Amino acid sequence: GQNIDQPTEMTATEGAIVQINCTYQTSGFNGLFWYQQHAGEAPTFLSYNVLDGLEEKGRFSSFLSRSKGYSYLLLKELQMKDSASYLCVRSGGSYIPTFGRGTSLIVHP
Amino acid sequence: DVKVTQSSRYLVKRTGEKVFLECVQDMDHENMFWYRQDPGLGLRLIYFSYDVKMKEKGDIPEGYSVSREKKERFSLILESASTNQTSMYLCASSVAGEDYGYTFGSGTRLTVV
Repeated sequence: GQNIDQPTEMTATEGAIVQINCTYQTSGFNGLFWYQQHAGEAPTFLSYNVLDGLEEKGRFSSFLSRSKGYSYLLLKELQMKDSASYLCVRSGGSYIPTFGRGTSLIVHP
Repeated sequence: DVKVTQSSRYLVKRTGEKVFLECVQDMDHENMFWYRQDPGLGLRLIYFSYDVKMKEKGDIPEGYSVSREKKERFSLILESASTNQTSMYLCASSVAGEDYGYTFGSGTRLTVV
């Protein structure tokens, strides 16, 4: 299968840094997306990694290691509005995405 | 500037009814998808389509069918709604053959009573 594993829930304090990890099956891998989904809303695109390394985009960064089948999303200077579910999404053959179950991040004051 | 539109945000239907969920995209995307999202299970692919009149089963197609008569419209049909089809349904679209990501509609929360 193309199992994607990510933690179910994480909590963090406003202003802090949090890292959300994701592991996936490496065979037939194209790229790795991260999406943010607020409760009751549609997922929205955050990042896309194809090559190994860290890509930074403002407060959010995403890392990929293709050989290890590992990615993480790093959120800095956490704000209350960052409380959401974060979806790790693997793109494989035929560009059909496989979604992880999501990590629910709770940011508290 | 809405790009993927789902016809209903909330829907309540009775067991046994035939239900149509409509999705329209204005980005000229070739690929369109229907997912359902349930707590603890994440997004699961029901059906997808690469082109007009083409459809492929996803991971959980049982109890569903789809129709794509025009490029911009992808309909999900529940032939005889059952209570276990109560869920959030998300439509998405993407460009063919490239990893540009997926644009989602705002979702339809369907309750079958």
